[in-house]
Amino acid sequence: SQQGEEDPQALSIQEGENATMNCSYKTSINNLQWYRQNSGRGLVHLILIRSNEREKHSGRLRVTLDTSKKSSSLLITASRAADTASYFCATADSWGKLQFGAGTQVVVTP
Amino acid sequence: GAVVSQHPSWVICKSGTSVKIECRSLDFQATTMFWYRQFPKQSLMLMATSNEGSKATYEQGVEKDKFLINHASLTLSTLTVTSAHPEDSSFYICSASDRVNTEAFFGQGTRLTVV
Repeated sequence: SQQGEEDPQALSIQEGENATMNCSYKTSINNLQWYRQNSGRGLVHLILIRSNEREKHSGRLRVTLDTSKKSSSLLITASRAADTASYFCATADSWGKLQFGAGTQVVVTP
Repeated sequence: GAVVSQHPSWVICKSGTSVKIECRSLDFQATTMFWYRQFPKQSLMLMATSNEGSKATYEQGVEKDKFLINHASLTLSTLTVTSAHPEDSSFYICSASDRVNTEAFFGQGTRLTVV
């Protein structure tokens, strides 16, 4: 069964705008990871945030984690058409097993 | 980052035949590998956890006799889809971790089409 719920399911924005997507989970985690997937392709790891961290940045990406609410958010700033993809959160247990959320499909129009 | 190689990247097979997918960690030893399946426009679903030198642990609802997993070495895990049917057509992807509390490294995935 899937651990995470993501919203929104789909997001359509214009280039230059920010995109925010949220992920909620149910059980305790070791870390939470965000991935990107272009249509029909493999996964690209974006960022990992550990359970004792609250915020992390990587380039135009900003991830927050609130373990008390069991939720995380991914913010993509100044979006580009190349950011069009599906984005998944995944929670990891202490063995490294990942449970993926349903994903958010992001479309960035020029 | 570490490299995980998955082969083949795509395969078409006839109903009733078996297909083997390989997942290799190229530059690290992976005591544990994971196999996922993804249907079109859906998320990745964990199928099983592959442990080197022992039996795989399957998620609920996954038929262990249909999806045979072998993890004979620290760098190789294989998934064999036995007696494949069209409903087994999917994107199969593996991942490996070299230690706890780090990112999982994913293979490129295998697109299986059963005709």
